[in-house]
Amino acid sequence: AQSVTQLDSQVPVFEEAPVELRCNYSSSVSVYLFWYVQYPNQGLQLLLKYLSGSTLVKSINGFEAEFNKSQTSFHLRKPSVHISDTAEYFCAVSGSSNTGKLIFGQGTTLQVKP
Amino acid sequence: KAGVTQTPRYLIKTRGQQVTLSCSPISGHRSVSWYQQTPGQGLQFLFEYFSETQRNKGNFPGRFSGRQFSNSRSEMNVSTLELGDSALYLCASSQYSDPSYEQYFGPGTRLTVT
Repeated sequence: AQSVTQLDSQVPVFEEAPVELRCNYSSSVSVYLFWYVQYPNQGLQLLLKYLSGSTLVKSINGFEAEFNKSQTSFHLRKPSVHISDTAEYFCAVSGSSNTGKLIFGQGTTLQVKP
Repeated sequence: KAGVTQTPRYLIKTRGQQVTLSCSPISGHRSVSWYQQTPGQGLQFLFEYFSETQRNKGNFPGRFSGRQFSNSRSEMNVSTLELGDSALYLCASSQYSDPSYEQYFGPGTRLTVT
């Protein structure tokens, strides 16, 4: 069975500071990994994904995540956050045995303070 | 391209009633997945439809059902509503029923059961 653990439910950080949101997964099969962001009263938007190849993946708005197979982690980082990054972030995993199904972590609320 | 649309956006129902939620996927997308989001349980997969066939199902009681039409639009139905069914129901579409393809989410339907 697959599962995802997001280690922090809330991460407060000051504007322009770096941030890391942690995600660990467990799976007995090859996985695909995703980070989604949810703003209040909205659906989820894909931030970035890891399918294969380079273990470091980047989004257009400055976020990056690194796939670490040995540590079964897919942590999300940003070197300098903005107030507009305040949202809930979800790590998700899918696998070859589960079409159409994303397994999500519990989410991490990123609170960026001025 | 228009995004995933869900109707209605908000719904209030009474315990024991039934409800039908609708989802229109992105044009050209043939896979539709449904998720339930609650503060306590987080995001949980309900089911996935591809080419009018249910391909995958989560761990929900039989009161939760769905279907997909030939134009890929999908509906989900919940019968005999319970207070615990209050949640945000999210629909996501994808080009194919393949775990490596990203899912695009709609804004959700907020269901309140009183």
